[in-house]
Amino acid sequence: KAGVTQTPRYLIKTRGQQVTLSCSPISGHRSVSWYQQTPGQGLQFLFEYFSETQRNKGNFPGRFSGRQFSNSRSEMNVSTLELGDSALYLCASSLHGTDTQYFGPGTRLTVL
Amino acid sequence: GESVGLHLPTLSVQEGDNSIINCAYSNSASDYFIWYKQESGKGPQFIIDIRSNMDKRQGQRVTVLLNKTVKHLSLQIAATQPGDSAVYFCAENDGADKLIFGTGTRLQVFP
Repeated sequence: KAGVTQTPRYLIKTRGQQVTLSCSPISGHRSVSWYQQTPGQGLQFLFEYFSETQRNKGNFPGRFSGRQFSNSRSEMNVSTLELGDSALYLCASSLHGTDTQYFGPGTRLTVL
Repeated sequence: GESVGLHLPTLSVQEGDNSIINCAYSNSASDYFIWYKQESGKGPQFIIDIRSNMDKRQGQRVTVLLNKTVKHLSLQIAATQPGDSAVYFCAENDGADKLIFGTGTRLQVFP
């Protein structure tokens, strides 16, 4: 069974731009969670989607948003990029959200 | 790949020795705990999990111990190998379906 895939793997943007990241979960998994990882803050939860509905949200500004499609694929969007948004963005999928989450390789976003 | 953390606690062990990585969790309502391994440039990889109704669980070369009284979790790796070098994170499911990650511990294995 294929693992979690994320595209693109690397992205360079400038301040003020917006970006969309994509995540394809493991087949059959209905829950997709997004995390931001930085050296200073570690792994921080952004939000979780289950059956196209956002079920949980972390403490991030409204510039960070997401959605999930009927095939469970998910996208996250960051608008008006700031330098501090430079990070590794990780997506994880699980069957129900309360069970084990499996991570993708991440998208490395650099904001210049 | 870029380092996942510049100021992580580091555990250095000799190849063949056993490693013990510790983690304190915060929420007494957490009922599910997971250990992840993250190698440079990769996403976290599931190692082993344990539910709050257990105090020990064993996998292949790994054992997780849970002490709910003091809210402490540990990961034991037997016969540590160079391929075990990575950053290890504990995570707790806070009961609201969110994973809360610890800060991580860097394991370095030297010959």
